[in-house]
Amino acid sequence: EPEVTQTPSHQVTQMGQEVILRCVPISNHLYFYWYRQILGQKVEFLVSFYNNEISEKSEIFDDQFSVERPDGSNFTLKIRSTKLEDSAMYFCASSRDRVSYEQYFGPGTRLTVT
Amino acid sequence: SQKIEQNSEALNIQEGKTATLTCNYTNYSPAYLQWYRQDPGRGPVFLLLIRENEKEKRKERLKVTFDTTLKQSLFHITASQPADSATYLCALEANTGNQFYFGTGTSLTVIP
Repeated sequence: EPEVTQTPSHQVTQMGQEVILRCVPISNHLYFYWYRQILGQKVEFLVSFYNNEISEKSEIFDDQFSVERPDGSNFTLKIRSTKLEDSAMYFCASSRDRVSYEQYFGPGTRLTVT
Repeated sequence: SQKIEQNSEALNIQEGKTATLTCNYTNYSPAYLQWYRQDPGRGPVFLLLIRENEKEKRKERLKVTFDTTLKQSLFHITASQPADSATYLCALEANTGNQFYFGTGTSLTVIP
């Protein structure tokens, strides 16, 4: 069964450094999402992406964040200058269309900012 | 402000019983509502979607109801099993579209 994959599974970085989190969505899906989940808290929407552009973004997704689909398979989230409060689990998700709306989530990347 | 609230307490039930989880929302006008399961350290897994014109949806031992007047969805697991132990999340799409908000989740433990 196709699945969303994410790399790396765990990233440790120093405050102020740039990180890129990578995702490979399911191949025939058209809608892509990034979420984060701080330990013990709820899943929070960051951004949605469709047709090679951002569809919606939350207040969390400020100028420090950017997303890109550099080729036909990868979907990346970049954090330009990480802060301690960026430490969280970051989930990528994809969905096939806006009819079923079912989102498939990846296993997540645990980002630790020290 | 917009809120999605789920059972604030963890839910412990005996194996074989029916678990009922609640999702209440305010200041949303969702066309549909989704339920996900999340295991520790893992990504959410889609379970069911119910649309605003559907009162009830079933899938195997799962049943979801959706009352847009009460602004509430109920999620039932019948004949519960220890393997059903997980956190269950409800999710809504924002009124602006393609932006999804999750509740805080309800932790369910099924005791053998």
